[in-house]
Amino acid sequence: SSELTQDPAVSVALGQTVRITCQGDSLRTYYASWYQQKPGQAPVLVIYDKNKRPSGIPDRFSGSSSGNTASLTITGAQAEDEADYYCNSGDSSVNHLVFGGGTKLTVL
Amino acid sequence: QVTLRESGPALVKPTQTLTLTCTFSGFSLSTSGMCVSWIRQPPGKALEWLALIDWDDDKYYSTSLKTRLTISKDTSKNQVVLTMTNMDPVDTATYYCARVALSGLHRYFDYWGQGTLVTVSS
Repeated sequence: SSELTQDPAVSVALGQTVRITCQGDSLRTYYASWYQQKPGQAPVLVIYDKNKRPSGIPDRFSGSSSGNTASLTITGAQAEDEADYYCNSGDSSVNHLVFGGGTKLTVL
Repeated sequence: QVTLRESGPALVKPTQTLTLTCTFSGFSLSTSGMCVSWIRQPPGKALEWLALIDWDDDKYYSTSLKTRLTISKDTSKNQVVLTMTNMDPVDTATYYCARVALSGLHRYFDYWGQGTLVTVSS
């Protein structure tokens, strides 16, 4: 099965831009979706279909993809964006799914 | 509005079988394109996808856990059930169910339950 690789931790100064990446061979075939998880809470979808935001997700969140790498960009990070972020995509098929190891975002 | 809620035992003994139920509302699993999935997260660790069932009763499992997992649905009750056999302490985790949306060659989890913590201990 495929794997999705994320940096374990990333930090950003308040108001600055940060990019969180996700690498894996499956991303050449399937789009990544991105989830934000705060301590003690269930994950929340923030990006799907490569660069679509669900209702209620601020437009400072955006997604992109190139080759085997998907990226989540937060433009003008806010204190409330401090959380764990997970990428997800299809694996051997669209119905077999895989998550990245997660990235802990710290807003300084 | 779409909601999902997991239920099941908080504590199971090693070698026992775990049965979890996801009760949902706001959509029907008999509608073409609808799917529900189970995901788990050990304390302090990453999310792990476990299984998916679709509106047509097709079932898909994590390769590493497929011999231990069974997913099923009861459309009339709006429920999806996951069983996991031969539980081990390493299976201690919060178990989530989530609705799965499909957009072309892309699935994503658009609604999640709040999760249920299952501890495996004698």
